[in-house]
Amino acid sequence: GAGVSQSPSNKVTEKGKDVELRCDPISGHTALYWYRQSLGQGLEFLIYFQGNSAPDKSGLPSDRFSAERTGGSVSTLTIQRTQQEDSAVYLCASSLALGGAGETQYFGPGTRLLVL
Amino acid sequence: AQSVSQHNHHVILSEAASLELGCNYSYGGTVNLFWYVQYPGQHLQLLLKYFSGDPLVKGIKGFEAEFIKSKFSFNLRKPSVQWSDTAEYFCAVISSGGGADGLTFGKGTHLIIQP
Repeated sequence: GAGVSQSPSNKVTEKGKDVELRCDPISGHTALYWYRQSLGQGLEFLIYFQGNSAPDKSGLPSDRFSAERTGGSVSTLTIQRTQQEDSAVYLCASSLALGGAGETQYFGPGTRLLVL
Repeated sequence: AQSVSQHNHHVILSEAASLELGCNYSYGGTVNLFWYVQYPGQHLQLLLKYFSGDPLVKGIKGFEAEFIKSKFSFNLRKPSVQWSDTAEYFCAVISSGGGADGLTFGKGTHLIIQP
C-alpha cells in the first residue's frame, strides 16, 4: 500500500523567505508526527497531531515554525523567515493510533531543506 | 525527559561477522522500544519493535533485539551480517502511555560491512 509521502523532496531557499512543507500520511492513520534530522542534532521530535489537534507545540524550535493538519489527513509545516540553521531534513511519520500497539510510526522520505 | 544512548557511532565489520549494537535509554515509566534502519539514499524503515511480552523480539532481515528492563537496554543483534546491511541504525523509545512527546532517538550507529 501507499506509504507516507512528502513534498517537495528538496527545497532550496534564501534566508528570510518562508517555506511550506507538506506531508500525506498513510490512509487511516490518525496520528501524525514531524521530526527534523540534522548533522548536529540527530533526529529531533517537533510536533504531533491526533486528528487535527496538536496539543503540545513546545517541541517546535522557535515561533517561526508552525504546523497544521486539516481533515485529519494532510499536514503542512511552515517555516517563516528561514535561517541557515533551519537547513535539515524534515521527516513526517504517521501511526494508526496514539499510544499502545498502534503506536508504530512509519516515516516518509523527508524534505531536504537548504537555506542559503 | 527521555534520552537514548547508542554506544557505537561507527562500526566496521566484515561479511559473516556477528553484530551487536548497544542501546540504553533513560526513562522512569514503561516504554515502547524500536530499532529503525536508514539504508543509503532511503528513508527510515522499521527494523523491529518491542511493546510487551517476550523480551526477545525478531525483526526483518534476521535482526533481533533483547529488552533487558533491569539494564534499561535494547541491544540489536544479528549473527551473520551481509554487505547489504550497510546502513545507519537508530534506536528509539516512546512512553507506552501515548505518543505525546514523539519518539526519542539515539544519535545513530553508522554500520559499514566490508565484502
